[in-house]
Amino acid sequence: LAKTTQPISMDSYEGQEVNITCSHNNIATNDYITWYQQFPSQGPRFIIQGYKTKVTNEVASLFIPADRKSSTLSLPRVSLSDTAVYYCLVGDPSSGSARQLTFGSGTQLTVLP
Amino acid sequence: DVKVTQSSRYLVKRTGEKVFLECVQDMDHENMFWYRQDPGLGLRLIYFSYDVKMKEKGDIPEGYSVSREKKERFSLILESASTNQTSMYLCASSPGTLVYNEQFFGPGTRLTVL
Repeated sequence: LAKTTQPISMDSYEGQEVNITCSHNNIATNDYITWYQQFPSQGPRFIIQGYKTKVTNEVASLFIPADRKSSTLSLPRVSLSDTAVYYCLVGDPSSGSARQLTFGSGTQLTVLP
Repeated sequence: DVKVTQSSRYLVKRTGEKVFLECVQDMDHENMFWYRQDPGLGLRLIYFSYDVKMKEKGDIPEGYSVSREKKERFSLILESASTNQTSMYLCASSPGTLVYNEQFFGPGTRLTVL
């Protein structure tokens, strides 16, 4: 199982772009990278998923270098409402095992005014 | 709009009690999950079900059991609650046969065992 490492916390100011990096040195060939967001007193919410290079949706972008040993979640022009915990997961979509669903401790992003 | 509901937001029980946490999803999803979340430890998978009456242990199944008699409902059972089971419990569901598909989470149940 690919283990992930993220910073425990990050601070940013409103309007800035925020990049949160996740390390996954032993990622397997079939593994995808997924990010979730969790607000206080709520369950996590899916943000984005990717396999390589770059994926973009209306919320964020996900950058994955060629060696895939890390990935970066990019949040453009954050606002106070983006204050949350962000989790990086790595797993094989074709696997039937749930043992890969390890959320880890996540990164607490605090957006300051 | 997709929805996962959990029977209680807050629950207080005594040591040794049998505790039932209920989760219902209205999206006809095949997969359902129970996690617990503790400060500094993130979310840890307790049990997973990929079909009615089917289950698989997660990382921390000890002290817990589950029941899935209907597709939309997944119950977590603490046979004899202990203080170290005080935690936030999160239920989730996901579609299809692939475990790694996007999960939809409920609001959580904060359980306190005295």
